Amino acid sequence: DAGVTQSPTHLIKTRGQHVTLRCSPISGHKSVSWYQQVLGQGPQFIFQYYEKEERGRGNFPDRFSARQFPNYSSELNVNALLLGDSALYLCASSPDLTGPIGSPLHFGNGTRLTVT
Amino acid sequence: AQKVTQAQTEISVVEKEDVTLDCVYETRDTTYYLFWYKQPPSGELVFLIRRNSFDEQNEISGRYSWNFQKSTSSFNFTITASQVVDSAVYFCALSARNTNAGKSTFGDGTTLTVKP
Repeated sequence: DAGVTQSPTHLIKTRGQHVTLRCSPISGHKSVSWYQQVLGQGPQFIFQYYEKEERGRGNFPDRFSARQFPNYSSELNVNALLLGDSALYLCASSPDLTGPIGSPLHFGNGTRLTVT
Repeated sequence: AQKVTQAQTEISVVEKEDVTLDCVYETRDTTYYLFWYKQPPSGELVFLIRRNSFDEQNEISGRYSWNFQKSTSSFNFTITASQVVDSAVYFCALSARNTNAGKSTFGDGTTLTVKP
């Protein structure tokens, strides 16, 4: 079975531009979460989506938005890119929202975004 | 608010040595889960172990073992007889009842280098 897949793997953008990152969860997983990982730090929670609805949002500006599609895949959009947005963006899926909170996350390989 | 602290930023050992990674957490919830993830150079975080707040029994799984102590809010992870392939960044994470695993709080990681 395929794991969590993310595209693209690498991306270089200029300040002020917009970017869209894509994620396909493991088959059967309905919850998708997005994390930002700056070099040398742990992942920081951005969003969680379940059944196409936003179920949680981290401390990120409104330039960050996301959505989930009927097939449970997800997009993360970032507008007006800043140099500080350069990071590894990780997508993670889990089977459901209301299941045991102890469900581990299944991560993709991430998208490395560089803003110049 | 939740917080996870991994005081060790880097650890270097020689192959076959045992190594313990420290994790201290903070949460006001009484029901929570603790996780350890491994991040090899490829970038994908891989789930290793999990423990819930009601079970302080320490376990061994292959070369991995963990020591969970609620009294000191610590969840330490030990690799026995380390191997070069264990070289990676290791993250401790916390998920509390009022959130779920999709909103895990991560520490900043410990970089483990195992030398041959």
